[in-house]
Amino acid sequence: DAKTTQPNSMESNEEEPVHLPCNHSTISGTDYIHWYRQLPSQGPEYVIHGLTSNVNNRMASLAIAEDRKSSTLILHRATLRDAAVYYCILRGGKTGNQFYFGTGTSLTVIP
Amino acid sequence: NAGVTQTPKFRVLKTGQSMTLLCAQDMNHEYMYWYRQDPGMGLRLIHYSVGEGTTAKGEVPDGYNVSRLKKQNFLLGLESAAPSQTSVYFCASSYDYYEQYFGPGTRLTVT
Repeated sequence: DAKTTQPNSMESNEEEPVHLPCNHSTISGTDYIHWYRQLPSQGPEYVIHGLTSNVNNRMASLAIAEDRKSSTLILHRATLRDAAVYYCILRGGKTGNQFYFGTGTSLTVIP
Repeated sequence: NAGVTQTPKFRVLKTGQSMTLLCAQDMNHEYMYWYRQDPGMGLRLIHYSVGEGTTAKGEVPDGYNVSRLKKQNFLLGLESAAPSQTSVYFCASSYDYYEQYFGPGTRLTVT
C-alpha cells in the first residue's frame, strides 16, 4: 500500500507559520499528494494537492521534496480556526481511485 | 447549494437489524464515496462510485452494500448490523479525482 507517515501531534502559536511534515517513501511516479483537514465533529475538508511542483492556494502551500519521498504543508499564519487533524494522502498509481487517510497530525494552535 | 447531505444524522440499531444511509449531492458530481471513521482513526473507504449505475469496493467493503441509481444519490446499506459497524459514516462527492466534498456524517451505534 502507498501509505504516509505523519507526526501524531504538533503545536503552533497563533499567527506564526506552521510546517506539517509527511513522509511517503513508497510513493509511485503517478501518485498525487493530497492534504485534507478535519475540524472537530465535521467531515474532512480539502486543503491542497500536488504532483511534483510546489503548489500554493488561498489556504496553504505544499512543498514537495525533489525525490517526492516527503512533503510539507505550510500554513503561513496559524489561526485558532486552523486547529484540526491534518491528513496527508496519496492517490493514484497503486491506489487508483482510493484515498488512504491514515491517522493524521492533530494541530493545536496556542493563542 | 446544500452541498453534500446525509440522512439520518444519528441512528441506534440492534444487532442483526438492517438500515440504509442516504447521501445526496447537488453539485452534479460524477464520483461519490462512503467512508467510515472509528474513534481516534482516520477515514477508511468502504465503497465508491465513478458514475450513475456503477459501484466499486474500497478498503473495507465487507458487511456493506451500495447503490447509485441516480447520479445525485449514493445509498449505503447494512443488511445485518454488527457491533463492529459502530462508527461515524461520511459520504463525499467529487467532480474529479482531486477535491472531495464531505457531508456532516452519520453517527451509528449498533448494540
